[in-house]
Amino acid sequence: AQKVTQAQTEISVVEKEDVTLDCVYETRDTTYYLFWYKQPPSGELVFLIRRNSFDEQNEISGRYSWNFQKSTSSFNFTITASQVVDSAVYFCALSEVFTGNQFYFGTGTSLTVIP
Amino acid sequence: DTGVSQDPRHKITKRGQNVTFRCDPISEHNRLYWYRQTLGQGPEFLTYFQNEAQLEKSRLLSDRFSAERPKGSFSTLEIQRTEQGDSAMYLCASSFGRGSGNTEAFFGQGTRLTVV
Repeated sequence: AQKVTQAQTEISVVEKEDVTLDCVYETRDTTYYLFWYKQPPSGELVFLIRRNSFDEQNEISGRYSWNFQKSTSSFNFTITASQVVDSAVYFCALSEVFTGNQFYFGTGTSLTVIP
Repeated sequence: DTGVSQDPRHKITKRGQNVTFRCDPISEHNRLYWYRQTLGQGPEFLTYFQNEAQLEKSRLLSDRFSAERPKGSFSTLEIQRTEQGDSAMYLCASSFGRGSGNTEAFFGQGTRLTVV
């Protein structure tokens, strides 16, 4: 069965600290995609990154970086030098290629960055 | 604005009434999804269209829910005989997919339904 687990329900950090959001997934497909979305207080889900199962290279985009490890079925997200504008709920999601195209979401991690 | 748009943004209805929501996806996207999100939870899949064909529907979805996507463009989600448990944010998303594989989904701002 497909499942995405975000064990951290809420995290608070002080501005400029680094923070890592954990994501663990389960799938029987060998081909799948992983995503991270940000949901600020305004409510709209904002796409951050997409990674396919064949590409385990880590990615960095500005202050954001992602660590994908198939061996541990994890796709963790790190924010470096956090800012108040990073305060939001972050969702990890999984989409399988051969058993359907819906997106399975975790329950989200609520990040609060304290000035 | 070329993003996903949803209408209305907010809807308050009395229990037992029918409601209909509309979603206009990004024009070149062939896949359209409806999700429901309640407070403190991640989006929960409701249904999925590829062009005008409804390819997947959540087993958890009551028969009171129906969705259409005529001509493969905009989509509507109707809830009949609303119940208080239907109160949630209803999210629409679209993506482009060809064969296997899927791009990221882009979400609209959602329709917040309150059933009183």
